[in-house]
Amino acid sequence: EVQLVESGGGLVQPGGSLRLSCAASGFTFSTYNMNWVRQAPGKGLEWVSYISGGSGTIYYADSVKGRFTISRDNAKNSLYLQMNSLRDDDTAVYYCARASGSYFDFWGQGTLVTVSS
Amino acid sequence: QSVLTQPPSVSAAPGQKVTISCSGSSSNIGNKYVSWYQQLPGTVPKLLIYENNKRPSGIPDRFSGSKSGTSATLGITGLQTGDEADYYCGTWDSSLSTYVFGTGTKVTVL
Repeated sequence: EVQLVESGGGLVQPGGSLRLSCAASGFTFSTYNMNWVRQAPGKGLEWVSYISGGSGTIYYADSVKGRFTISRDNAKNSLYLQMNSLRDDDTAVYYCARASGSYFDFWGQGTLVTVSS
Repeated sequence: QSVLTQPPSVSAAPGQKVTISCSGSSSNIGNKYVSWYQQLPGTVPKLLIYENNKRPSGIPDRFSGSKSGTSATLGITGLQTGDEADYYCGTWDSSLSTYVFGTGTKVTVL
């Protein structure tokens, strides 16, 4: 069974940093591209970042470019999102999502990040 | 500001049909596969349709997808109260090198 479990969310002050993790199981992690998607309270889905299976290709949304860094450790079946210079509008539930070609077929339960003073 | 536009809401009585449009451009829907996601209240988004019109295992055939030019459509027939949810289209944008989601549509069963 495919499982994606996010962790690392919490309350952080504006300008602070946080590192999210996503533990994957039930599939060959290294052969799948992965993504982070977020959803602000009461708002729609916003794609955040993509990383290919071998980490050779990485993309970011303009809203996080230069502040967030996506990475993965295939030996540990884990995906990460390092978030720096956090702003109020980064407050959201962050989901990791597995990509199968052009679509996201499995999603984690999400981890809440709250940026507030 | 999403590059994929959906109606904010649609509604119909139980058993009826609704369609949800997703309007984009040549850099996204025009030359990329479209997928659709269902998000029931308080839950995680779930893949509903992929590659324009394919249904994952377990998704009933009441749900259908189509694409024409730079627009895509999700159809739901035999509407049920359990279909009340937010629905999002999504695709890659080759100009932006980003994935883009639609603005989302809330389906209400009257």
